[in-house]
Amino acid sequence: QQPVQSPQAVILREGEDAVINCSSSKALYSVHWYRQKHGEAPVFLMILLKGGEQKGHDKISASFNEKKQQSSLYLTASQLSYSGTYFCGTVQDSNYQLIWGAGTKLIIKP
Amino acid sequence: EAQVTQNPRYLITVTGKKLTVTCSQNMNHEYMSWYRQDPGLGLRQIYYSMNVEVTDKGDVPEGYKVSRKEKRNFPLILESPSPNQTSLYFCASSFGDPRTQSTSPLHFGNGTRLTVT
Repeated sequence: QQPVQSPQAVILREGEDAVINCSSSKALYSVHWYRQKHGEAPVFLMILLKGGEQKGHDKISASFNEKKQQSSLYLTASQLSYSGTYFCGTVQDSNYQLIWGAGTKLIIKP
Repeated sequence: EAQVTQNPRYLITVTGKKLTVTCSQNMNHEYMSWYRQDPGLGLRQIYYSMNVEVTDKGDVPEGYKVSRKEKRNFPLILESPSPNQTSLYFCASSFGDPRTQSTSPLHFGNGTRLTVT
């Protein structure tokens, strides 16, 4: 039931784009995205509800395809500050449980 | 400053010695929750509380207790810690139920790294 995140890790140069995917085997009500820097607490990025939402602020955006039961997080023109581990959390339609993925580690190099 | 405060940040203890990790939030949030974070497993919910005196089990409640006597505090109690409870623990709070309300993101504390020997 844990959503699957891909890739597990990615290394980019500053200015490059990244896409992080989150897939579930269950029908979803919503998808949550958080970023965690090493040694710190996870920080909220966005929540997407079913209905084919797309959201974004600054250069970080996300989409939610409820038919495919997956969400993607897009980071464009990545900055050094984008480094960290990105977690998706999925809320299932059937039981409203919030289950977290294992995370995607993003390393941005100058 | 709006925040979730956990104490202690680091704790080393021995098997069987009861301990409490405190969690306090100053945002008047209804919902509070405890998670443990282990490598490769992401965040797993231990217990959560929708309001004062209302608590529910999460995914991994065995070996843990919680209480919600006041709205701002949500302590995590390990009555008899064991080495498999060695982990990084996070307390989190939100205004409403984060599962169903898109305007209720979770605010996390800075974590407590617990080692049980």
